[in-house]
Amino acid sequence: EVQLSESGGGLAQPGGSLRLSCAASGFTFSGYAMTWVRQAPGKGLEWVSAVSRGGDTTYYAESVKGRFTVSRDNSKNTVFLQLNSLRVEDTAIYYCAKEILVGRSTYFERWGQGTLVTVSS
Amino acid sequence: QSVLTQPPSVSGAPGQRVTISCTGSSSNIGAGYDVHWYQQLPGTAPKLLIHGNNNRPSGVPDRFSGSKSGTSASLAISGLQAEDEADYYCQSYDRSLSGHVFGTGTEVTVL
Repeated sequence: EVQLSESGGGLAQPGGSLRLSCAASGFTFSGYAMTWVRQAPGKGLEWVSAVSRGGDTTYYAESVKGRFTVSRDNSKNTVFLQLNSLRVEDTAIYYCAKEILVGRSTYFERWGQGTLVTVSS
Repeated sequence: QSVLTQPPSVSGAPGQRVTISCTGSSSNIGAGYDVHWYQQLPGTAPKLLIHGNNNRPSGVPDRFSGSKSGTSASLAISGLQAEDEADYYCQSYDRSLSGHVFGTGTEVTVL
């Protein structure tokens, strides 16, 4: 069974940093790209970042470009999201998800339970 | 600010059919990118409901169906049940933004 489990969320001050982790199991981790999606309290879903199967290619939403860094360790079946220069508006639940690519379209087949990041002074 | 627009809410009585629209543009749905749909039950993570415009993953009831035409897509729920009360989101890719995009989300209420 595919399982994704995020960790690393918590309280950070504006300008601070956090490192999120997402541990995967139940599938061949190195065979799939992975994505991060966030959801601010009471708001909708926002795609944040993605990393290719080998970790050599990364993608970011404009709202986080230059501040967040995605990476992965295929030997540990884990994907990471480094959050720097945090802003109050980064407060959200952060989900990791397993990507499926069909043709030129990507969807998110399985999601973790999410980890809450709160940015406040 | 999402580039895919959905109605904030739809409602229906048990057994009825409801539809949720997802309106995009020529840089996403109209550019030929597929539309996918997710269901988010209260307090839980999103779950894949429809992929590739009209394909249901294993385990998703056939009461749920999707369609796409031009720059828009739709999700239909027939035989509405109380357990269908949730938020629903469409998702596609936007070539102008070079990133994945979600719809604004629709809350479904069963009367």
